[in-house]
Amino acid sequence: GAVVSQHPSWVICKSGTSVKIECRSLDFQATTMFWYRQFPKQSLMLMATSNEGSKATYEQGVEKDKFLINHASLTLSTLTVTSAHPEDSSFYICSAVTSGGRTDTQYFGPGTRLTVL
Amino acid sequence: AQSVTQPDIHITVSEGASLELRCNYSYGATPYLFWYVQSPGQGLQLLLKYFSGDTLVQGIKGFEAEFKRSQSSFNLRKPSVHWSDAAEYFCAVGVAGTGRRALTFGSGTRLQVQP
Repeated sequence: GAVVSQHPSWVICKSGTSVKIECRSLDFQATTMFWYRQFPKQSLMLMATSNEGSKATYEQGVEKDKFLINHASLTLSTLTVTSAHPEDSSFYICSAVTSGGRTDTQYFGPGTRLTVL
Repeated sequence: AQSVTQPDIHITVSEGASLELRCNYSYGATPYLFWYVQSPGQGLQLLLKYFSGDTLVQGIKGFEAEFKRSQSSFNLRKPSVHWSDAAEYFCAVGVAGTGRRALTFGSGTRLQVQP
């Protein structure tokens, strides 16, 4: 149980185009999903918190107009990188939270590698 | 704000040897603590977690971790390492009771296993 999928697993796009990444919780409902970014050989940095039915909360320094997040249902959150540039190339990982009462556990998707040419 | 320190960037052990990966956290109250493993190009897999209760936590793949409040540590251990354990290991802390459910990750420890 607690499986999270991401699509696509990798994408290559031209500079200036937009890319959408999907994050799905396959066997549970997630009111909260998180989007992380990971540079090579570095740790995960939280970009934003996505709550179903409401606006995402972005971390300081993350451009909300560039990284559009939509959490349309309890099993799907999308991250759209708008007008992508080479510096946006990175590994993007989502996670979904299962709620066990007072405790939460995050389950991570397999990640999406974005390369912007 | 909470923080996590993994002092060892890279560790090499021989197959069959024991393993201990260090993790220290900084937070004023009792944190929620996690260990995740990441294989190259993959997402993170949860190894184990500590919320409360018994300070020795058993996880998957033969891993365990011990929460030591006095040392602000949550070290990961395995008695006998297998070649398939080679990966990146991340310690993470979650904050209880604040409504903030995101995790703060350590910088990771890369484990290499020698035959």
